[in-house]
Amino acid sequence: GENVEQHPSTLSVQEGDSAVIKCTYSDSASNYFPWYKQELGKRPQLIIDIRSNVGEKKDQRIAVTLNKTAKHFSLHITETQPEDSAVYFCAASETSYDKVIFGPGTSLSVIP
Amino acid sequence: DGGITQSPKYLFRKEGQNVTLSCEQNLNHDAMYWYRQDPGQGLRLIYYSQIVNDFQKGDIAEGYSVSREKKESFPLTVTSAQKNPTAFYLCASTVSGSYNEQFFGPGTRLTVL
Repeated sequence: GENVEQHPSTLSVQEGDSAVIKCTYSDSASNYFPWYKQELGKRPQLIIDIRSNVGEKKDQRIAVTLNKTAKHFSLHITETQPEDSAVYFCAASETSYDKVIFGPGTSLSVIP
Repeated sequence: DGGITQSPKYLFRKEGQNVTLSCEQNLNHDAMYWYRQDPGQGLRLIYYSQIVNDFQKGDIAEGYSVSREKKESFPLTVTSAQKNPTAFYLCASTVSGSYNEQFFGPGTRLTVL
């Protein structure tokens, strides 16, 4: 079955710097790669996703890149702000309707 | 935040007792999911259901059971066979189709005493 690894497990950056979180997956059939943000005490919420037919997607300060050949994808947050502090989860699945396998999460701290 | 609810927010049970966690959605979503969240282990899939009266095991189904008698409801029973049930449980749902967001409930924190 699918296995998703995520690095680093914790990340601290200064406000205004960039943050990068990397994930790898094992199942070449995976086509859908969402990223979820979970603030302390709250439920996870989708922040961006990418499908296998594109290599990069941007949404304001957030971007995701996908290398399907190497089976890895990354989340890039630019100009980080304190409100970006949260746990970020990557995930992979064939479609969002199928079983979605999550990575173990990255705890991001943005230091003012 | 509305649309998918879980109850109760906190639940305590004694060892050897079964307990049922509720998950209800009014989003008309076809698929529903149960995840277990432990520190440092992310979200692990317990069971999921893509249609009423049908469900599939996830990666950690042992010691759990589910039912899907109604589209809106997907209750999870934690049985006494689950060796380490203390955790945070999250329910999610999504519409049918290939690439749609999973919406999560607020979660239930289960503690076994």
